Amino acid sequence: GEDVEQSLFLSVREGDSSVINCTYTDSSSTYLYWYKQEPGAGLQLLTYIFSNMDMKQDQRLTVLLNKKDKHLSLRIADTQTGDSAIYFCAESPGGSQGNLIFGKGTKLSVKP
Amino acid sequence: EADIYQTPRYLVIGTGKKITLECSQTMGHDKMYWYQQDPGMELHLIHYSYGVNSTEKGDLSSESTVSRIRTEHFPLTLESARPSHTSQYLCASSELGSGGNGYTFGSGTRLTVV
Repeated sequence: GEDVEQSLFLSVREGDSSVINCTYTDSSSTYLYWYKQEPGAGLQLLTYIFSNMDMKQDQRLTVLLNKKDKHLSLRIADTQTGDSAIYFCAESPGGSQGNLIFGKGTKLSVKP
Repeated sequence: EADIYQTPRYLVIGTGKKITLECSQTMGHDKMYWYQQDPGMELHLIHYSYGVNSTEKGDLSSESTVSRIRTEHFPLTLESARPSHTSQYLCASSELGSGGNGYTFGSGTRLTVV
């Protein structure tokens, strides 16, 4: 069935780059998303990429999509302590009644 | 700025009580969702709706019920709360097609049943 996998934890030093990886299963997904959840809050849409794109850049964020390997990554340049949060990858498969499929989340810890 | 509102933010309630978690959105979105979130972070879809008078069960079996009498309002009710219902509950909404806008989430209700 449809599934989205991501590693659970990532720890980096302030100023370094962070790379959060995600794999998904449905090759018909038209959009892939990255959400950020800060402590005690809901999920906030960070960025998304359309399936016919390989890369999307938005300020410090770079999304890379490898459709052949069904691999999505989020790179955060110059990571700050304010980037500490849980990051969720999500796909929009052709089935699933149009519901997004979320990964389990990657907890990013940024050490000063 | 939140366009989807959940109340209350925090709720501590005794076992056996009936509770309703409120969710309202002002974006005119047709689809709305309720997720239960583990302390370990994973999201579980428990209910969703395509529009007025539509309610569907999600992937995770839940003892809660929902209703959708108005487009903007999607309350979740627990008839008899139990400690196993202690969790974070997140409401979300979206347009009918997934699109680039994805889902908009509320800030969540943290429920503790004692």
